[in-house]
Amino acid sequence: GQQVMQIPQYQHVQEGEDFTTYCNSSTTLSNIQWYKQRPGGHPVFLIQLVKSGEVKKQKRLTFQFGEAKKNSSLHITATQTTDVGTYFCAGSRSQGNLIFGKGTKLSVKP
Amino acid sequence: DGGITQSPKYLFRKEGQNVTLSCEQNLNHDAMYWYRQDPGQGLRLIYYSQIVNDFQKGDIAEGYSVSREKKESFPLTVTSAQKNPTAFYLCASSNIPGSYNEQFFGPGTRLTVL
Repeated sequence: GQQVMQIPQYQHVQEGEDFTTYCNSSTTLSNIQWYKQRPGGHPVFLIQLVKSGEVKKQKRLTFQFGEAKKNSSLHITATQTTDVGTYFCAGSRSQGNLIFGKGTKLSVKP
Repeated sequence: DGGITQSPKYLFRKEGQNVTLSCEQNLNHDAMYWYRQDPGQGLRLIYYSQIVNDFQKGDIAEGYSVSREKKESFPLTVTSAQKNPTAFYLCASSNIPGSYNEQFFGPGTRLTVL
């Protein structure tokens, strides 16, 4: 079945360092969504990408969708302790349900 | 104050017992979903419903059952047939069905089967 692979599984950074998580699919995706789950919390929607090569920014967060619509990335510039949590990508093929990656757990050392 | 509620937050059951997890939303959303989350794993879809009185199996439906008698409610029953039921269960909803729509998640129920 369709899978969405996400790497790395864990990332430990010093506060102020940058962070990137990558999401890859073997098949072309119609769209990709990103969610953040704080420790002990539930996933919260961050953004959706639909177009090939699309780039969106939210303050220190930059989201990209690959030209072939098979990969995506989330980059955080100058991490803060408030960025701690697990970041999930979720993609789908046309008319399909969202398939979630296993997530990247980010820890930030002050 | 709109949102999704799940109760209880923590649930303990003995092996062999069925248990029903509650999910209620007042967002007037058509679609509702149940996911299971295990440590180090992503969210796996158990069941989803696009409209009242209709629901579909997700990727890991075996050992689970659902109902959708009301738009705002989508309870999940974990049956004794589910071999490894201990997990964190998340309910979600979206305005309209389909993967292009943002999903809103409830706070989750952590089920432990002893």
